[in-house]
Amino acid sequence: AQSVAQPEDQVNVAEGNPLTVKCTYSVSGNPYLFWYVQYPNRGLQFLLKYITGDNLVKGSYGFEAEFNKSQTSFHLKKPSALVSDSALYFCAVRQAHRLAFGKGNQVVVIP
Amino acid sequence: DGGITQSPKYLFRKEGQNVTLSCEQNLNHDAMYWYRQDPGQGLRLIYYSQIVNDFQKGDIAEGYSVSREKKESFPLTVTSAQKNPTAFYLCASSILYGEAFFGQGTRLTVV
Repeated sequence: AQSVAQPEDQVNVAEGNPLTVKCTYSVSGNPYLFWYVQYPNRGLQFLLKYITGDNLVKGSYGFEAEFNKSQTSFHLKKPSALVSDSALYFCAVRQAHRLAFGKGNQVVVIP
Repeated sequence: DGGITQSPKYLFRKEGQNVTLSCEQNLNHDAMYWYRQDPGQGLRLIYYSQIVNDFQKGDIAEGYSVSREKKESFPLTVTSAQKNPTAFYLCASSILYGEAFFGQGTRLTVV
């Protein structure tokens, strides 16, 4: 069963507009959730995580994510997108000692 | 500098050859992971290790082998039994239940 779903293959947004990248999860117990960004031919960079506490998590480069337990979602957001935010974004969830990733969303910010 | 080092950055394998990808970390992390990335398929877990001299198969372990003789090192061998090894390979490490930190990847191509 898929643990993490990122329903959109690509997200297009105009520079300066709000950016949202969607993620839903399916794990038993309290989820440990993460967002990563990947630029071409590079490793993944950690953006933010939710372990416990406030549902709104702030991370690197102006990104934030909202944890919603009832909807089992952990959407990534940025109030004003930059062209340099164009990249591949991955949502991930801990399953005991494993870290499971979604298939990724390509974000394209249009100047 | 603390971090994860993968080598080489590019690797070419002939049919029937075994090749070994190196992964070294100086973050003092207990857990280490190997992922394979193919276009449109996200990251798939090959092997992971929580402690020295112990490791577990991930979702696509067939045709791969690992060792964990030192805390800092988690090399991955791609054997001749792996029929489609061309991919981008990512190594990561973490504290237990924490976020993972990634190396810059090794691109393996069969020639």
